[in-house]
Amino acid sequence: GESVGLHLPTLSVQEGDNSIINCAYSNSASDYFIWYKQESGKGPQFIIDIRSNMDKRQGQRVTVLLNKTVKHLSLQIAATQPGDSAVYFCAEPSSNDYKLSFGAGTTVTVRA
Amino acid sequence: DSGVTQTPKHLITATGQRVTLRCSPRSGDLSVYWYQQSLDQGLQFLIQYYNGEERAKGNILERFSAQQFPDLHSELNLSSLELGDSALYFCASSGLASYNEQFFGPGTRLTVL
Repeated sequence: GESVGLHLPTLSVQEGDNSIINCAYSNSASDYFIWYKQESGKGPQFIIDIRSNMDKRQGQRVTVLLNKTVKHLSLQIAATQPGDSAVYFCAEPSSNDYKLSFGAGTTVTVRA
Repeated sequence: DSGVTQTPKHLITATGQRVTLRCSPRSGDLSVYWYQQSLDQGLQFLIQYYNGEERAKGNILERFSAQQFPDLHSELNLSSLELGDSALYFCASSGLASYNEQFFGPGTRLTVL
């Protein structure tokens, strides 16, 4: 079954505001997480990743936070733009092979 | 554009039929992964190949099979199709045997009538 899950299936955000997408995981031994963005009609696109030896990692307008104590990670999008409208997935590789387990996804809708 | 190509983009067929989905990985990538995305199951890993050899297997039905050819392109064969096989099928590739940064293709939408 899934080892990662998302808290909310949908998120509506005003353009220019910050977005926060949450994800919980169950395996305390998990050491690597990835966020993907999937726009309508397209395949998932890698956004950012984080390893368990880090609490925070920043990219361009995105930040991923990892809280290993409560097994929670979040993706923050700064100054959300219409092009950020998409489904966002957290994903985790399994420990003994290379498959990715994806959460159910959060659909982000940006209001103008 | 991820550099991963998939054909066909859309496929409509009938129950009981067999189809072949094709994937070309990014230039130089040795690993190819297949995923199924459906509304009720989300994104599910099916199978991975690395340089022609099967590397990992996920929730892939026995009616489904895949292979990776010497030129590194891959095909996913789906047989005895059922209505529930209707889904998006994605191929992804990565540069190493590891899972880091898989690049996904645009997908093939399969509709089984």
